[in-house]
Amino acid sequence: QVQLQESGPGLVKPSQTLSLTCTVSGGSISSGSYYWSWIRQPAGKGLEWIGRIYTSGSTNYNPSLKSRVTISVDTSKNQFSLKLSSVTAADTAVYYCATTTYGDYDYWGQGTLVTVSS
Amino acid sequence: EIVMTQSPATLSVSPGERATLSCRASQSVSSNLAWYQQKPGQAPRLLIYGASTRATGIPARFSGSGSGTEFTLTISSLQSEDFAVYYCQQYNNWPPSWTFGQGTKVEIK
Repeated sequence: QVQLQESGPGLVKPSQTLSLTCTVSGGSISSGSYYWSWIRQPAGKGLEWIGRIYTSGSTNYNPSLKSRVTISVDTSKNQFSLKLSSVTAADTAVYYCATTTYGDYDYWGQGTLVTVSS
Repeated sequence: EIVMTQSPATLSVSPGERATLSCRASQSVSSNLAWYQQKPGQAPRLLIYGASTRATGIPARFSGSGSGTEFTLTISSLQSEDFAVYYCQQYNNWPPSWTFGQGTKVEIK
């Protein structure tokens, strides 16, 4: 069974780049046909889909974040990553990594809180 | 972008009663619709995919229906562990930007 674990700084300064990593265990990130995704949730609010990277390496992003987001894969470490540039307080949220073969997310990480503050 | 609208925002239900949650898409998503349950401090849990198929281990009291733009999640007899927030999510392949509804909180009446 696939397990996901987010890691990265819990505090990022405004205007800087938020960087998170999701480590995959219980399976190879480069095998099968999976979408590896990032989803976030501000405190007390709903879920926002950030983007996805397919096993082939192709990416798709939320149009509202597209200019600031990069999702990449490191197959040697069985990890995928999120970079979000020029952050503001509005980017403060719990960030989840998740995976799916079609679109419904059956595996999620536990989430990691990232606060944007000086 | 496809906008998902859930109603009501909050649903007050007594244990043992039926709960009916709605989700509407701004354009057709066919049956590419999932429902999730989220409890405080936890990641969402997949309940329903393909609009009507229960995920592994999900009790039969949860059922989904609908296609196109109108979807429903029904909990036939609410148990104490079912009080939570429920989200719908579309994963239609085009445009390739998946979106969630804003959630429905099911609370104890």
